[in-house]
Amino acid sequence: EAGVAQSPRYKIIEKRQSVAFWCNPISGHATLYWYQQILGQGPKLLIQFQNNGVVDDSQLPKDRFSAERLKGVDSTLKIQPAKLEDSAVYLCASSPGLAGLHEQFFGPGTRLTVL
Amino acid sequence: AQSVSQHNHHVILSEAASLELGCNYSYGGTVNLFWYVQYPGQHLQLLLKYFSGDPLVKGIKGFEAEFIKSKFSFNLRKPSVQWSDTAEYFCAVNAGWSDMRFGAGTRLTVKP
Repeated sequence: EAGVAQSPRYKIIEKRQSVAFWCNPISGHATLYWYQQILGQGPKLLIQFQNNGVVDDSQLPKDRFSAERLKGVDSTLKIQPAKLEDSAVYLCASSPGLAGLHEQFFGPGTRLTVL
Repeated sequence: AQSVSQHNHHVILSEAASLELGCNYSYGGTVNLFWYVQYPGQHLQLLLKYFSGDPLVKGIKGFEAEFIKSKFSFNLRKPSVQWSDTAEYFCAVNAGWSDMRFGAGTRLTVKP
């Protein structure tokens, strides 16, 4: 079974530039999550989708971050414009159902450096 | 808002030593509890989980954790660690169908 795929693996940009990350979850998984992991901290949930609907985006900085999962399969997370403090690893995860009841399967992450 | 505290930032043990990693959470309602592990160069993966029932749960690779509701704790244990257990360990708490919260992680180094 293929795991969660993410691209790119690494990205370096300058502040105020835009960047987008892509995630393809495990086939058949209804729930998709984006996390931000700053160095030395645990993953912080940014947004959770159930199929193509948003379940929780309470910690997403909506003035600069956006995410979509239009067809209920793959997803894109965008930052526009980026700030220095956005430097982090962005993790995508998926699960068969809602977070509280199912194991989440994580992708390798995208390491973003903002200069 | 709920939060998760992991007491140790970095733990160094020799092989065959016993391990206990602390995890406390702040939430008064019903919670689901998880331990995830990230081995060097690998993805985060589930070690064990507690939803209900027996508060002592067993996971992969000989790990276990005990849920003590009165102490809001979910400590991870292993009687005898191996060099291959070197990894970062994250405790996570979920209070329903969303809002998974992770602790800051504990880095475990096992010396051969």
